Amino acid sequence: QKEVEQDPGPLSVPEGAIVSLNCTYSNSAFQYFMWYRQYSRKGPELLMYTYSSGNKEDGRFTAQVDKSSKYISLFIRDSQPSDSATYLCAMGGSSASKIIFGSGTRLSIRP
Amino acid sequence: SAVISQKPSRDICQRGTSLTIQCQVDSQVTMMFWYRQQPGQSLTLIATANQGSEATYESGFVIDKFPISRPNLTFSTLTVSNMSPEDSSIYLCSGELGVSEQFFGPGTRLTVL
Repeated sequence: QKEVEQDPGPLSVPEGAIVSLNCTYSNSAFQYFMWYRQYSRKGPELLMYTYSSGNKEDGRFTAQVDKSSKYISLFIRDSQPSDSATYLCAMGGSSASKIIFGSGTRLSIRP
Repeated sequence: SAVISQKPSRDICQRGTSLTIQCQVDSQVTMMFWYRQQPGQSLTLIATANQGSEATYESGFVIDKFPISRPNLTFSTLTVSNMSPEDSSIYLCSGELGVSEQFFGPGTRLTVL
């Protein structure tokens, strides 16, 4: 079993839809949870960074962490074609700097 | 956030040669990391580079093949030595600002013929 599981997609939704991206994990030591967006032929861009459980909102993006279920989500409201990218979840422990990445979900927003 | 640049952005190399990739961060960071990413795949950590100490390599990666330098808090290099076509990949560096908060460079796309 991988430490972090993420559905690779591809996921295709119409413009304006709400997108839900998810990851599950097995290591209860993870305390820091990140979402990265990666456009084709570019490096990953840190989108959301959260500590422990709870919600964090930034514009159209909301990150949720449920440590009891070992489940994290990223919601994108009013999705735009410019949101089309691969989204990678990533997690880290409190004392180790090494982070573990999910396999990434390829998202396409149809105009 | 941090802005990270990498040089070269891409290169095509011959088998048996070596390539050094440079990574520059616009702020001081304690930890820098080197990753490899195959097209359409996730990131694989090669090594962690601390300033003033030897890099720490992940399983499957060795210093003789991927020597790393970290001369100061804003700069690091990764050398891919004695290259073979299997080394063709995208190489990414990152710097850590907060715990587990890593910012990435744009990547170096390497093709080995």
